[in-house]
Amino acid sequence: NAGVTQTPKFRILKIGQSMTLQCTQDMNHNYMYWYRQDPGMGLKLIYYSVGAGITDKGEVPNGYNVSRSTTEDFPLRLELAAPSQTSVYFCASSPQTNSGNTIYFGEGSWLTVV
Amino acid sequence: AQSVAQPEDQVNVAEGNPLTVKCTYSVSGNPYLFWYVQYPNRGLQFLLKYITGDNLVKGSYGFEAEFNKSQTSFHLKKPSALVSDSALYFCAVRDYGQNFVFGPGTRLSVLP
Repeated sequence: NAGVTQTPKFRILKIGQSMTLQCTQDMNHNYMYWYRQDPGMGLKLIYYSVGAGITDKGEVPNGYNVSRSTTEDFPLRLELAAPSQTSVYFCASSPQTNSGNTIYFGEGSWLTVV
Repeated sequence: AQSVAQPEDQVNVAEGNPLTVKCTYSVSGNPYLFWYVQYPNRGLQFLLKYITGDNLVKGSYGFEAEFNKSQTSFHLKKPSALVSDSALYFCAVRDYGQNFVFGPGTRLSVLP
């Protein structure tokens, strides 16, 4: 019953530090996504991937990087953390087969940059 | 480009009363529409979806949604609200690029 697993759950970073949010899924989904959710706001797509070796920018990619070396893993890298990156980050995955498939979310990673 | 609107930031309803959370969408082709719920400090959970067929879609926890093509709406409904339904609800549409576009969310408060 693992689904989409994100680590860490909570993290405090100092301005200028870097870190990686880990995401793994065990459902053999081709599509994976990273979203951020700011307080009282909806979800904004940061990066997505349609398969191993393929990544693309979403709506708000600046300050982030991703890689997809395997189907299971889709880490999100924050370089030179800024207070504007304080947010809740959600990783998600979805099957490829057709557009009617749902998207499955991880439990979220709460990041504070001070 | 696809877009989703949820015109109400907050919906308050008394326990036992029917509830409606509104969603309108804009897509260039046939819509694939979804509702998700988010409880505090949790990820989003799938409630229901419309792909094709019957305009009334039934989902988890007694929720249903009505697809109305002429009004481009996909309102979420429940005949009798529970306090435990209090959460943040997101409407979403999936575009041809396989990406999901989410609405801003509606906070539902069910009052005892």
